[in-house]
Amino acid sequence: DQQVKQNSPSLSVQEGRISILNCDYTNSMFDYFLWYKKYPAEGPTFLISISSIKDKNEDGRFTVFLNKSAKHLSLHIVPSQPGDSAVYFCAASAYQGGKLIFGQGTELSVKP
Amino acid sequence: EAGVAQSPRYKIIEKRQSVAFWCNPISGHATLYWYQQILGQGPKLLIQFQNNGVVDDSQLPKDRFSAERLKGVDSTLKIQPAKLEDSAVYLCASSAGEALNYGYTFGSGTRLTVV
Repeated sequence: DQQVKQNSPSLSVQEGRISILNCDYTNSMFDYFLWYKKYPAEGPTFLISISSIKDKNEDGRFTVFLNKSAKHLSLHIVPSQPGDSAVYFCAASAYQGGKLIFGQGTELSVKP
Repeated sequence: EAGVAQSPRYKIIEKRQSVAFWCNPISGHATLYWYQQILGQGPKLLIQFQNNGVVDDSQLPKDRFSAERLKGVDSTLKIQPAKLEDSAVYLCASSAGEALNYGYTFGSGTRLTVV
């Protein structure tokens, strides 16, 4: 039972353009959502989070949008840079400090 | 601040052998997690500790996996005996409690190959 799904295994974007990574979830009890970035041979690194009381959270070039009715969130990276090339995981939790349920990941490739 | 330390980085063992992984969390972080990441999948929580007590071990295969966190600091995860399907990266993470604002901090992981 995959409660958090990232249906695109890979995404390729030109440098300077927008990258949009998508994530869907099925459990309506999830209240907190996070995005992690992972380079090869390293552990995931926290990127940005959002709680269900918000529909948008921004941090520099990164913005996360949450649509609770559609059980969908997305990560926008503008402008994309070659250093953003990595695997991006979305994760969800039912409460603050609770265990995270991860999606399968999307590999982003930003081409110069 | 030093990150989450894990060792070893890589381990190759034969099936039915035993193996142990070690994790040293960020100083002062009360919560420690062990995740299993199989190739092509997202990390899956195996066990969560709060200080030296277990909060959630519902997805830990207890017939072969065990974990402990003595004195609420370092932790070890053991597999005995290992199976081929245990081949994965084992990630340790820690948090100070505000996990959903700042996210967990993960270590670099231990890549286990069972042959």
